[in-house]
Amino acid sequence: EPEVTQTPSHQVTQMGQEVILRCVPISNHLYFYWYRQILGQKVEFLVSFYNNEISEKSEIFDDQFSVERPDGSNFTLKIRSTKLEDSAMYFCASSRDFQETQYFGPGTRLLVL
Amino acid sequence: DAKTTQPPSMDCAEGRAANLPCNHSTISGNEYVYWYRQIHSQGPQYIIHGLKNNETNEMASLIITEDRKSSTLILPHATLRDTAVYYCIVREAGGGADGLTFGKGTHLIIQP
Repeated sequence: EPEVTQTPSHQVTQMGQEVILRCVPISNHLYFYWYRQILGQKVEFLVSFYNNEISEKSEIFDDQFSVERPDGSNFTLKIRSTKLEDSAMYFCASSRDFQETQYFGPGTRLLVL
Repeated sequence: DAKTTQPPSMDCAEGRAANLPCNHSTISGNEYVYWYRQIHSQGPQYIIHGLKNNETNEMASLIITEDRKSSTLILPHATLRDTAVYYCIVREAGGGADGLTFGKGTHLIIQP
């Protein structure tokens, strides 16, 4: 069964550093999403992406975040200058169409020191 | 904010049916009810969804009341591996590529 994959599974970085989180969505899916979950809190939507453009974004997704589909398989989330409060699990998801079910990857645990 | 209300926690004995309730009294006619679960801090796992009719798949059954204001997820024969946080999410059909709004969910604990 096809699934969303994410790398790395864990990342530790220093405050102020840039990080790139990578996702490989399910191959025939066209819509891609990033969510985050701070420890002990709810899963929160960050951004959705379709046809090489951002479709929707939340208030959390400010100028320090960016997303990109650099090739035909990867979907990335970049955090330009990490802050302590960026420490969280980051989940990628994909769906075949915007109306269809979103399937999530296993997540990347980001720790900012 | 989430448009659903769920009990914060529930227990169920292994091998028994687990029935997880969800209230969505403000649901609109074009909104689906989705269920996901999250085991530890893994990625949310899709379980099932429905609009009006009851639905069943290999994982669970979804019972939606006639007025659509509440629903119940049924895991027919719960196992220890079903211990997880279960999220009931209301999502507009054709609402664009918007994100899912997760609440706090129900922490289901399967007892041996």
